[in-house]
Amino acid sequence: DGGITQSPKYLFRKEGQNVTLSCEQNLNHDAMYWYRQDPGQGLRLIYYSQIVNDFQKGDIAEGYSVSREKKESFPLTVTSAQKNPTAFYLCASSQQGRRETQYFGPGTRLLVL
Amino acid sequence: AQSVTQLDSQVPVFEEAPVELRCNYSSSVSVYLFWYVQYPNQGLQLLLKYLSGSTLVESINGFEAEFNKSQTSFHLRKPSVHISDTAEYFCAVSATGGGADGLTFGKGTHLIIQP
Repeated sequence: DGGITQSPKYLFRKEGQNVTLSCEQNLNHDAMYWYRQDPGQGLRLIYYSQIVNDFQKGDIAEGYSVSREKKESFPLTVTSAQKNPTAFYLCASSQQGRRETQYFGPGTRLLVL
Repeated sequence: AQSVTQLDSQVPVFEEAPVELRCNYSSSVSVYLFWYVQYPNQGLQLLLKYLSGSTLVESINGFEAEFNKSQTSFHLRKPSVHISDTAEYFCAVSATGGGADGLTFGKGTHLIIQP
């Protein structure tokens, strides 16, 4: 089955710790995205990548980092600089172009211990 | 830059009643418009989208939305809702033209269907 997988489903972070969220797609999509979802806030764009080895900051990139070494993978690292990391993180992918549908993964819920 | 306003955070309706979820946007350029649906603890699924052409777009499960450029709106409607329609609905926009940057989402409307 083609789709987007995110792991883990739940992730716990200790103070001062960096954690990495995985996102993999087998849809052969060029573009990939990370969004953060907070209750009552909708989704906000963290980072996006239109092509391998290239990525751009979204609206709330501070405290996060990404890499795009392979077309199918776009991991997100939540660094210790992100002071309020508790949220639901959603990864998405699409063919190139703004008119294209974005397909979302099932999400990772990050909680702080 | 674009922004999206979903005027209602929650909309309770009775089963088999009609519903309208409101969405207004602001943009200095032409936009594409999308409605996504999110069931609890899941990712988002595309419900329908407006790219060009007919201003009325329909989904396979009975929802429809109409693009109104003069009112900068893209309201979502369904003539008769079912319990299974209970979910969070998000309106989103992107600028037309090249590029593949992310969508701008509204804050969402929780549709609550009461039996």
